[in-house]
Amino acid sequence: EAGVTQFPSHSVIEKGQTVTLRCDPISGHDNLYWYRRVMGKEIKFLLHFVKESKQDESGMPNNRFLAERTGGTYSTLKVQPAELEDSGVYFCASSQSPLAGTVYEQYFGPGTRLTVT
Amino acid sequence: DQQVKQNSPSLSVQEGRISILNCDYTNSMFDYFLWYKKYPAEGPTFLISISSIKDKNEDGRFTVFLNKSAKHLSLHIVPSQPGDSAVYFCAASGYGGSQGNLIFGKGTKLSVKP
Repeated sequence: EAGVTQFPSHSVIEKGQTVTLRCDPISGHDNLYWYRRVMGKEIKFLLHFVKESKQDESGMPNNRFLAERTGGTYSTLKVQPAELEDSGVYFCASSQSPLAGTVYEQYFGPGTRLTVT
Repeated sequence: DQQVKQNSPSLSVQEGRISILNCDYTNSMFDYFLWYKKYPAEGPTFLISISSIKDKNEDGRFTVFLNKSAKHLSLHIVPSQPGDSAVYFCAASGYGGSQGNLIFGKGTKLSVKP
């Protein structure tokens, strides 16, 4: 079974440019999450999709970030315009839909390292 | 303010001995806890989890203990192997009904020396 994949693995852009990150979850996983780790800090939640709907986007830093999940399959995270503080590693994760009273573990992709100069 | 804390940035143990990684949390509404292992340039890999209704969960060499009254959990690895060298993240879920998103600690880098 293929794992969560992310593209690109590394992106270097200048401040003010636009970058789009892509995540392909494990097939059949309805839940898709985006997280970000800024250097030296903890991994922080950005948002959660259930199929194509945004379940929780409370972690999105501001309106420069736009996430979509067309048709409930892959997801994209666009940063426009990018700022220096957006640099970090962006992780995508997916999971099955949990039964009541349980939490299924999330499977993480390898991440996209974004560097804004 | 951090809700999940891993106060030891690093830990070094000898191969064959026990590794104990600690994690504290502040929010009593968390109802599920997970440990992830991360190698450089890879994403976190799920290791083991525990529900808040239990105090222990064991899977092979890995055991997680939960002390709800102290808001503390620990991961025990016995015996430790050089391949266990990685960064270990503690994560919590279930706060405020948002069961999906995980809240992570900053991680503890474990080094197992041969």
